[in-house]
Amino acid sequence: KAGVTQTPRYLIKTRGQQVTLSCSPISGHRSVSWYQQTPGQGLQFLFEYFSETQRNKGNFPGRFSGRQFSNSRSEMNVSTLELGDSALYLCASSLVAGTLPGAGGYTFGSGTRLTVV
Amino acid sequence: EDKVVQSPLSLVVHEGDTVTLNCSYEVTNFRSLLWYKQEKKAPTFLFMLTSSGIEKKSGRLSSILDKKELFSILNITATQTGDSAVYLCAVGARSGDMEYGNKLVFGAGTILRVKS
Repeated sequence: KAGVTQTPRYLIKTRGQQVTLSCSPISGHRSVSWYQQTPGQGLQFLFEYFSETQRNKGNFPGRFSGRQFSNSRSEMNVSTLELGDSALYLCASSLVAGTLPGAGGYTFGSGTRLTVV
Repeated sequence: EDKVVQSPLSLVVHEGDTVTLNCSYEVTNFRSLLWYKQEKKAPTFLFMLTSSGIEKKSGRLSSILDKKELFSILNITATQTGDSAVYLCAVGARSGDMEYGNKLVFGAGTILRVKS
């Protein structure tokens, strides 16, 4: 079955611009989470969506936002880009079993590499 | 503040060796502990542990969780060069006052290099 698909794979943006990243989860997965990975901070949780609702949010400024559509696809938006936003942005999807993900945990996509210049 | 600490940060072994990777955590509202292997971009799921003392096994890899002492180990036996990767430990926790859903708190990872 198809995995988690993230587009685009690479992006170069200028400071002050905004960017939208897309994530298509595995078919049947309704939970989509976003993470930022940098060499200095590692993997950090951004937010989680389930059935078009944001369920959880990490400690990131309001410039980071997202949404989920009825087909479970999710987008993440970063406005007023800063140099420090350069990172690999990973999306993960999962089945949901109550308060836990399904037995397969979270499946990650290959990410979008964002470079802010 | 939630914290996941992995050790060692890196290690180099020879093919055939056995390695043990450690993960300790201090996370509020713990729900699960997950291990991932990251080679290039996408972390690949290895195990999810929710109960203490029950070993999970997949081929040469195994893992166990101790919820009393707040740690987990990942063992790899008869290592191969294909095991070279970053191994990530993540704790799934309730986030804020949301009953459902989880945030994953990741450790910094252990870089494993297996020499032939």
